[in-house]
Amino acid sequence: NAGVTQTPKFQVLKTGQSMTLQCAQDMNHNSMYWYRQDPGMGLRLIYYSASEGTTDKGEVPNGYNVSRLNKREFSLRLESAAPSQTSVYFCASSERRLAGGRGTGELFFGEGSRLTVL
Amino acid sequence: GQSLEQPSEVTAVEGAIVQINCTYQTSGFYGLSWYQQHDGGAPTFLSYNGLDGLEETGRFSSFLSRSDSYGYLLLQELQMKDSASYFCAVRLPALSSGSARQLTFGSGTQLTVLP
Repeated sequence: NAGVTQTPKFQVLKTGQSMTLQCAQDMNHNSMYWYRQDPGMGLRLIYYSASEGTTDKGEVPNGYNVSRLNKREFSLRLESAAPSQTSVYFCASSERRLAGGRGTGELFFGEGSRLTVL
Repeated sequence: GQSLEQPSEVTAVEGAIVQINCTYQTSGFYGLSWYQQHDGGAPTFLSYNGLDGLEETGRFSSFLSRSDSYGYLLLQELQMKDSASYFCAVRLPALSSGSARQLTFGSGTQLTVLP
């Protein structure tokens, strides 16, 4: 059971280059998320998707785009990378709470993608 | 905006008990979660409090007081493997019926367990 899989695990870009981070989950979850983690700043939400076909901005969406390709896959694209986007990126998924349910909203995270922009 | 405050570092010895506090100011509140992250690893879920009171899961317990906008994570019988970062996270209400609930994280507490 792979859970949440992210690729690539490491990437070095030059300023202005573009790239896409891929994320796939095999838990049949409806909701998926992209976070970035910088030293001393915890995890900040970039974009999220409640279900296939929908995406919403999080706390720090500028400079990023996302695509919810299908229920399993949620990709994050940097169109023109900047040094400020050097970070560790985490994809996560969760079950969507059913009406009347009180689930924990537990997020399942991938192992992270370490991006350096020079 | 959203604001979560937790201590940046805590140090304790093996076998001891440690409490990591979290206070929050958020636009809406649905619950408080705790996550553990070892160096270089993925965050993993520890506990969730949707209602006031104590939740216990083995050596870990978590407490919530919604009236005080405060919660804590209690780790008992500390082990070396508990050395990690611990994040509190507020679960926000969904913006609409078709939207997902966002999880907003604190900056994390680095716990060091000494032998």
